[in-house]
Amino acid sequence: EIVLTQSPGTLSLSPGERATLSCRASQSVSSSYLTWYQQKPGQAPRLLIYGASSRATGIPDRFSGSGSGTDFTLTISRLEPEDFAVYYCQQYGSSRGSFGQGTKLEIK
Amino acid sequence: QVQLVQSGAEVKQPGASVKVSCKASRYTLTDYFLHWVRQAPGQGLEWMGWINPNSGGTNYAQNFQGRVTMTRDTSISTAYMELSRLTSDDTAVYYCAREYQLASFDYWGQGTLVTVSS
Repeated sequence: EIVLTQSPGTLSLSPGERATLSCRASQSVSSSYLTWYQQKPGQAPRLLIYGASSRATGIPDRFSGSGSGTDFTLTISRLEPEDFAVYYCQQYGSSRGSFGQGTKLEIK
Repeated sequence: QVQLVQSGAEVKQPGASVKVSCKASRYTLTDYFLHWVRQAPGQGLEWMGWINPNSGGTNYAQNFQGRVTMTRDTSISTAYMELSRLTSDDTAVYYCAREYQLASFDYWGQGTLVTVSS
């Protein structure tokens, strides 16, 4: 099973700043089956980025994803108040899925 | 707008089973794989497996092998996840989610809280 490790665990930033979230896989993630989600309290996760770098429908262009193999990054170029939430990466490979433990993005 | 509507909260005793439903609307259930994901209180997301609603084929995470059964009833556009031999560690919100491109999940149910307590 591929283990995803997200860092940092908590990121404290101010609106308008740039956020960089990391997701590292224990083995190479095949065909960029790497996805990012945003989750707010009491809500289901929301799809942000799939295929490592493709924005889902309706996702603002301040969200971008990059990376390949074992190292992936979610970047939020200029934080808006509504962006403060928990972010998860997820992979699917060898017929098994797994999620990272999450990065909490909080207001500084 | 695509919707996945799940059944209501459940309270179960240890050792019991729970069956959660997920009704699809505004799309054809058999056109997309459906995954199940759970989230314990204050914790992260855990992938449980998927069902191919077209064929009924399933694929379960190793952690749940032998305890989980995913089924569907295409006549009512509903998928089910049954988890047996419940313990307190199974207390969580259970989500169904539709598979989109590259095994991402674009639509999620609202979640079903399952509480296991004596």
